Amino acid sequence: DTAVSQTPKYLVTQMGNDKSIKCEQNLGHDTMYWYKQDSKKFLKIMFSYNNKELIINETVPNRFSPKSPDKAHLNLHINSLELGDSAVYFCASSQGTVTDTQYFGPGTRLTVL
Amino acid sequence: SQQGEEDPQALSIQEGENATMNCSYKTSINNLQWYRQNSGRGLVHLILIRSNEREKHSGRLRVTLDTSKKSSSLLITASRAADTASYFCATDAIGGGADGLTFGKGTHLIIQP
Repeated sequence: DTAVSQTPKYLVTQMGNDKSIKCEQNLGHDTMYWYKQDSKKFLKIMFSYNNKELIINETVPNRFSPKSPDKAHLNLHINSLELGDSAVYFCASSQGTVTDTQYFGPGTRLTVL
Repeated sequence: SQQGEEDPQALSIQEGENATMNCSYKTSINNLQWYRQNSGRGLVHLILIRSNEREKHSGRLRVTLDTSKKSSSLLITASRAADTASYFCATDAIGGGADGLTFGKGTHLIIQP
């Protein structure tokens, strides 16, 4: 019973392409997140989404857009991929606000060639 | 500036020994959390300590928090090979809003059998 799942696990694509990463949580949580972990393992929040309220980290390029069809899903769509987008992307969820314990998915390793 | 900073960046000890990792942060917080990340996996929540708590235990884990020094420590007693992982502290700044949880760069712990 996977709590937070992501697909795909690996994604290799060419510069300029558009791609999506899917995330689903079966914990009944109200808030979902996307994080980016770079090659030095630095983890940075990109978005948090709670009851249709989207909070965006201002440093995230507008080529990145989260899409939430329902409370259990928060997908990440990336337009016009760049080399610098290569990283591991983690989805997470929590019961309430960001102060709560967060449950992470297994990550999606994105490689842009 | 980055909120959480772990120290040391890497730590290698013998199985059975105790491992201590430290985290420093810059702003006032509501709580501080510790997470573990095994290689190639997502983060797993270990323990949460609130700003009005000074010490917390969970199994072989002991966390302390000193809000006057803006620092926390994670002690793993009687280490095992399975404890080999990266450990991250995460803080939520009071009034942080869209910043969400801010993670440090982590301490990579290696337990030598």
